[in-house]
Amino acid sequence: EAGVAQSPRYKIIEKRQSVAFWCNPISGHATLYWYQQILGQGPKLLIQFQNNGVVDDSQLPKDRFSAERLKGVDSTLKIQPAKLEDSAVYLCASSFSGTVNTEAFFGQGTRLTVV
Amino acid sequence: GIQVEQSPPDLILQEGANSTLRCNFSDSVNNLQWFHQNPWGQLINLFYIPSGTKQNGRLSATTVATERYSLLYISSSQTTDSGVYFCAPNPGGSQGNLIFGKGTKLSVKP
Repeated sequence: EAGVAQSPRYKIIEKRQSVAFWCNPISGHATLYWYQQILGQGPKLLIQFQNNGVVDDSQLPKDRFSAERLKGVDSTLKIQPAKLEDSAVYLCASSFSGTVNTEAFFGQGTRLTVV
Repeated sequence: GIQVEQSPPDLILQEGANSTLRCNFSDSVNNLQWFHQNPWGQLINLFYIPSGTKQNGRLSATTVATERYSLLYISSSQTTDSGVYFCAPNPGGSQGNLIFGKGTKLSVKP
């Protein structure tokens, strides 16, 4: 069974530029998560989708971050404009459901460096 | 929201030693996962354990949900066990998602 796929693996951009990350969850998983992991810390949830609807985006900095999950499968996370403090690893995860059978599986992440 | 505390923050072991990592959480949870983050940053699923005890090779985990803690046991540690171990409880409900602690950084020396 294929795991969660993310791209790109690495990205370096200048501050104020824009960037987008892509995630393809495990087939059949209805719930998709984006987490941000700053160096030395545990991952923090940015946004949770159930199919193509947003369940929780309370910690998403909406003035610069946006995310969508078209057709309830793939998802894209965008940052515009980027700030230095956005340097982090962005992790995508999926689970079969958000309420039952909630075991989450993570992709390899995208390491973003903002200079 | 739920608070997650992991201890110890850092652990250095000699190869072959055993260790116990602890995770305390401040509220009731529907489930809990343990992960190993390898040096390349990949989060690897170790256990999905809302309660009780599970074993997988040299690793085992116990969650006592009523007392709000979970333990991860590593026996006969190997250098490949090095990395950061995260506990992540899920409070459940309509917004079930994982809340991560700060992790325990494990270094196993040959």
